[in-house]
Amino acid sequence: GAVVSQHPSWVICKSGTSVKIECRSLDFQATTMFWYRQFPKQSLMLMATSNEGSKATYEQGVEKDKFLINHASLTLSTLTVTSAHPEDSSFYICSARDRAGGNIQYFGAGTRLSVL
Amino acid sequence: GENVEQHPSTLSVQEGDSAVIKCTYSDSASNYFPWYKQELGKRPQLIIDIRSNVGEKKDQRIAVTLNKTAKHFSLHITETQPEDSAVYFCAASMGGGADGLTFGKGTHLIIQP
Repeated sequence: GAVVSQHPSWVICKSGTSVKIECRSLDFQATTMFWYRQFPKQSLMLMATSNEGSKATYEQGVEKDKFLINHASLTLSTLTVTSAHPEDSSFYICSARDRAGGNIQYFGAGTRLSVL
Repeated sequence: GENVEQHPSTLSVQEGDSAVIKCTYSDSASNYFPWYKQELGKRPQLIIDIRSNVGEKKDQRIAVTLNKTAKHFSLHITETQPEDSAVYFCAASMGGGADGLTFGKGTHLIIQP
């Protein structure tokens, strides 16, 4: 099956700093990638849709200036959490849509962000 | 926006028995319904999906049924095995899966030996 790589898997940062998370589709081109947030023992919540070559679309309540998304190539999307605060601590997980494969979304392994 | 309800939150079954997880969705425009299995500390893995032009789909021990009129869909796992223990999420999407997924809250399936 298709593989999506996400890095880093775990990051600890100080409050006020920025953190970049990468999401790569390794064996298929993904014009669309998605970013989700998952709280402990809870479901995944869609944060934004990342489209190659255009601006991301954010879900209601998600601050676009806080969560910067860049999708500069067909295989890479990045999420930057700017001026991170402890309430941003969470599990961030990306998915890449395989358009040639019936629009199935393949998920990365996730990034555990801890803001001190 | 779309809202997906999932029940039960926890399901315990004896090994070899069947398990059924049910979901309802609110937006009749949704037309793609995947099911993901997430083991502890791992990424969600697609186990089966169904599109709105089909009422049922089966893959070995796993089947999904869809009732568009009632806006609900269900996951059926037969002959359960210990490795089926995990959290299962249903989801809904529009655009044939082109849009982001709205997930249910998940079902923790426990297979008792």
